[in-house]
Amino acid sequence: NAGVTQTPKFQVLKTGQSMTLQCAQDMNHNSMYWYRQDPGMGLRLIYYSASEGTTDKGEVPNGYNVSRLNKREFSLRLESAAPSQTSVYFCAVWDRASGANVLTFGAGSRLTVL
Amino acid sequence: GNSVTQMEGPVTLSEEAFLTINCTYTATGYPSLFWYVQYPGEGLQLLLKATKADDKGSNKGFEATYRKETTSFHLEKGSVQVSDSAVYFCALSDLGAAGNKLTFGGGTRVLVKP
Repeated sequence: NAGVTQTPKFQVLKTGQSMTLQCAQDMNHNSMYWYRQDPGMGLRLIYYSASEGTTDKGEVPNGYNVSRLNKREFSLRLESAAPSQTSVYFCAVWDRASGANVLTFGAGSRLTVL
Repeated sequence: GNSVTQMEGPVTLSEEAFLTINCTYTATGYPSLFWYVQYPGEGLQLLLKATKADDKGSNKGFEATYRKETTSFHLEKGSVQVSDSAVYFCALSDLGAAGNKLTFGGGTRVLVKP
């Protein structure tokens, strides 16, 4: 997972609390993504950002907000956490280097909402 | 919209057995196809990919062939090892106006016993 750093790795919240998941890349790529992973459902796209200053909704955006303030960082915010948001969250970047055209993931952030 | 269907697990095998994980897809156009692997406690890593019909992706003894006629991208390995125990995800790329996205299948957990 070199190049994509997520913080925190683990977090426990109470229902209604807010928090921000941070993601930073040192790969100088334009496109960044937030996915959530739930058992039996694979990965589902929450939001993505094709370039600095732009964001778009994915498959499951409700309850989340994102910010892409610069090319390097893409944060995911839960304003009022709900138990249904208990999940593992992955940040990813689209790697076009040398024609690779693949998604490179961070190590993940495990969130539990009580 | 695009979708990926892969066989549900868990798949339990003995070491040196033959592994097949089925993956079929629905997509418009000509997507690239991917297999990602997730080892316990880690993020997803690219295992292999194929970008056009009849291409064969291969890596670490795993292979998958892009079959447009059957819209499939089945993953195979001739002789699995305990270290191959992981969750495997099939995915396809979706190049939209806002950039690339990957759509994932639900994942297949593979357990290899000594």
